[in-house]
Amino acid sequence: GAGVSQSPSNKVTEKGKDVELRCDPISGHTALYWYRQSLGQGLEFLIYFQGNSAPDKSGLPSDRFSAERTGGSVSTLTIQRTQQEDSAVYLCASSRSGSGETQYFGPGTRLLVL
Amino acid sequence: RKEVEQDPGPFNVPEGATVAFNCTYSNSASQSFFWYRQDCRKEPKLLMSVYSSGNEDGRFTAQLNRASQYISLLIRDSKLSDSATYLCVVTQGSGGSNYKLTFGKGTLLTVNP
Repeated sequence: GAGVSQSPSNKVTEKGKDVELRCDPISGHTALYWYRQSLGQGLEFLIYFQGNSAPDKSGLPSDRFSAERTGGSVSTLTIQRTQQEDSAVYLCASSRSGSGETQYFGPGTRLLVL
Repeated sequence: RKEVEQDPGPFNVPEGATVAFNCTYSNSASQSFFWYRQDCRKEPKLLMSVYSSGNEDGRFTAQLNRASQYISLLIRDSKLSDSATYLCVVTQGSGGSNYKLTFGKGTLLTVNP
């Protein structure tokens, strides 16, 4: 079956611009997660959605980062006024439910801020 | 202490070798444990979950020691296709918060012909 998809696969932007990253989870998965992987760093948790609600936004690094999920499906991660340190691979994952279930990752969006 | 620490690697082994990865975690409330593998410029993929009783999947054996907060992965008869980065992953908490994955930085394995 179809896995998690993300778009765009690559994004190059100029410092100060806003970007939107999209995630399409596996159909029927109620839980959706965003992670970030910076060069030389491990993956770090950003935000968790259960349905359309985000009970845990604790990993968002600043108020320039926001995310929403509509219809219990597609999610968008928005970064406003991008900075060079935002350059990373942004990975989305989904799971059937939120508690200890296997998380399946999408291919990621590689963001480069010039 | 880092939340999840792994052998720094890299590991370079010949085909057919047995290789072991070790990992320690700091949060005693962690409930779920996994090994993921990540190929170069690809997303992480679940290799196996890790259970207290230990579990085996073909050439791969995972062990968990909750008292020592230690996880291991053993790969026997390594293949060229095992070359990847192996990520030790634990969840942050228990019950309703058992969703937040914390990743180690990974250990790069290269299996040589």
